[in-house]
Amino acid sequence: EVQLVESGGGLQQPGRSLRLSCAASGFTFDDYAMHWVRQAPGKGLEWVSGISWNSATTGYADSVKGRFTISRDNAKNSLYLQMNSLRTEDTALYYCAKDRLWGSYSGTLGYWGQGTLVTVSS
Amino acid sequence: EIVLTQSPGTLSLSPGERATLSCRASQSVSSSYLAWYQQKPGQAPRLLIYGASSRATGIPDRFSGSGSGTDFTLTISRLEPEDFAVYYCQQYGNSPFTFGPGTKVDIK
Repeated sequence: EVQLVESGGGLQQPGRSLRLSCAASGFTFDDYAMHWVRQAPGKGLEWVSGISWNSATTGYADSVKGRFTISRDNAKNSLYLQMNSLRTEDTALYYCAKDRLWGSYSGTLGYWGQGTLVTVSS
Repeated sequence: EIVLTQSPGTLSLSPGERATLSCRASQSVSSSYLAWYQQKPGQAPRLLIYGASSRATGIPDRFSGSGSGTDFTLTISRLEPEDFAVYYCQQYGNSPFTFGPGTKVDIK
């Protein structure tokens, strides 16, 4: 069974940093691209970032480009999101999601974790 | 970036009725790389449709997708009680991948 468990969320002040992690199990992690998607309280979904299976391809939403960095450690079956220069508008539930397609950076999100909440406030 | 617009914002229907949800893109979506997701309160989203019309694994055949270019439709042929939820379209043909604002299907 595919499991994605996010961690690292919490309360942080504007301008500070936070690092999210996603622990994956139940599938061959290094065969799949991975993504982060966020959802502000009571709002819709926003794709944040994605990374291919071998880290060769990464992508970012315009709203986080230059501030957030996605990475992965295939030996540890883990996905990360380094969030710098946090803003109040980054407050959201952050989901880790597995790409649907084996070996491809497709952007379709076949499995999702339950999310970790990030609150940015002074 | 490609901007997606969904209509209507809310659709009020009764169980057994047909639901038709629309998603329009600000520019043509490459190779019909358009997906639909369902989200229920307190839950993570679930992939329903990819490639505009292909059902994801385990999705009932009452869900169908159609469209190409800039106009796409999700149809639920007969609403079941568990189908009342928010539905999002997403384009993944161009990075950054983007979602529409969602359509809420609620019970009339």
